[in-house]
Amino acid sequence: VQLLESGGGLVQPGGSLRLSCAASGFTFGRYGMTWVRQSPGKGLEWVSTIAGSGPGTYYGDSVKGRFAISRDTPKNTVYLQMNSLRADDTAIYHCVKGGDPVTSSLSYWGQGTLVTVSS
Amino acid sequence: SYVLTQPPSVSVAPGKTARITCGGTNIGRWTVHWYQQKPGQAPVLVIFYDHDRPSGIPERFSGSNSGNTATLTISRVEAGDEADYYCHVWDGDSQQVVFGGGTKVTVL
Repeated sequence: VQLLESGGGLVQPGGSLRLSCAASGFTFGRYGMTWVRQSPGKGLEWVSTIAGSGPGTYYGDSVKGRFAISRDTPKNTVYLQMNSLRADDTAIYHCVKGGDPVTSSLSYWGQGTLVTVSS
Repeated sequence: SYVLTQPPSVSVAPGKTARITCGGTNIGRWTVHWYQQKPGQAPVLVIFYDHDRPSGIPERFSGSNSGNTATLTISRVEAGDEADYYCHVWDGDSQQVVFGGGTKVTVL
């Protein structure tokens, strides 16, 4: 299993960013995918989950209405569109295999991409 | 929203047993997963569905869940077990994933 995140960087408050996660080593369409973030020196915070098949998407309260998760199964890629970014969105964003069903574990984690929101 | 409470730190001597608790109201009704995170690395799943071990995780790692407390137990602790440990549930009431605040395990 390989999960390669990209798209992080420095963005001003109120700006937008789209993260990508290229997956390989497993049958991508069969698995839910999840984004989890970790602020520097802090704990884990769930951001969003998308089902392996079907329309199911789920969001943490802190990002609901601002972030959107999507997937392109033929490209084995999951995305996180982040809008109206705030300073407290600054974190490493990990792409994670798992989350479908929603009670299931997060079985494999990417190394993450750093998002910094600052003027 | 549902809250999972973990002790910030646990210290244990090599060869002894470390027990990391994850408290939540009636947590026993949810399934609990546990992750290990070493400095500078991504988290690794060590226990899923309360007590199952992924392949490659030593038998020294075990889990239980009942009532208001889930527990990750590390037997015969080794220096390499030093890490942060997080518990995770899906809260069906709020439809949210919840993580505990994490416990730093220090091997003395």
